[in-house]
Amino acid sequence: DAGITQSPRYKITETGRQVTLMCHQTWSHSYMFWYRQDLGHGLRLIYYSAAADITDKGEVPDGYVVSRSKTENFPLTLESATRSQTSVYFCASSAREGRNTQYFGPGTRLTVL
Amino acid sequence: GQSLEQPSEVTAVEGAIVQINCTYQTSGFYGLSWYQQHDGGAPTFLSYNGLDGLEETGRFSSFLSRSDSYGYLLLQELQMKDSASYFCAVLPSGSARQLTFGSGTQLTVLP
Repeated sequence: DAGITQSPRYKITETGRQVTLMCHQTWSHSYMFWYRQDLGHGLRLIYYSAAADITDKGEVPDGYVVSRSKTENFPLTLESATRSQTSVYFCASSAREGRNTQYFGPGTRLTVL
Repeated sequence: GQSLEQPSEVTAVEGAIVQINCTYQTSGFYGLSWYQQHDGGAPTFLSYNGLDGLEETGRFSSFLSRSDSYGYLLLQELQMKDSASYFCAVLPSGSARQLTFGSGTQLTVLP
């Protein structure tokens, strides 16, 4: 089915480990985004990408790395996970034109022990 | 920078009308959007105001006044399924289409 998917949906890891969260969209949207959502903070932008091979930092990029070698994929890597990175992570995409409606994936719930 | 203020919680009864306000401080933006998020779910787009005034989509309406730095989401004929969090968001001028979100309003609809 067309849409935006994330994997894994749930992940438990330990402090110091590297973790990669995957995001895949089938709409060929130019823009893709990674957010984290914590109680009381709403959605905070981690990184975004305007096209393949073009990425930029958002509000809270420290401790995260992204890449976008293909339009449809936008993986997010936590290089050395910390407890403060326990959160729900949402990937989103939007088309280059129009109202900038963002379409969100189902989210990944990450717990760092 | 940008900041958006929303009430943290709103409670209303089924069948009623509720208004969720969003006040913002921003140097400039293209439009104000609203997203809905049910517990455990992903945010979904509800409405967008690029111009001042009212936009209506079924039971939901959204309003923007740039001169007052203010917008709201109006939900009519409330249903239990409307219990969710609602986020306002702005697309800042000059941005590469990345939104800035408010911290959200938890709406509880009582029977």
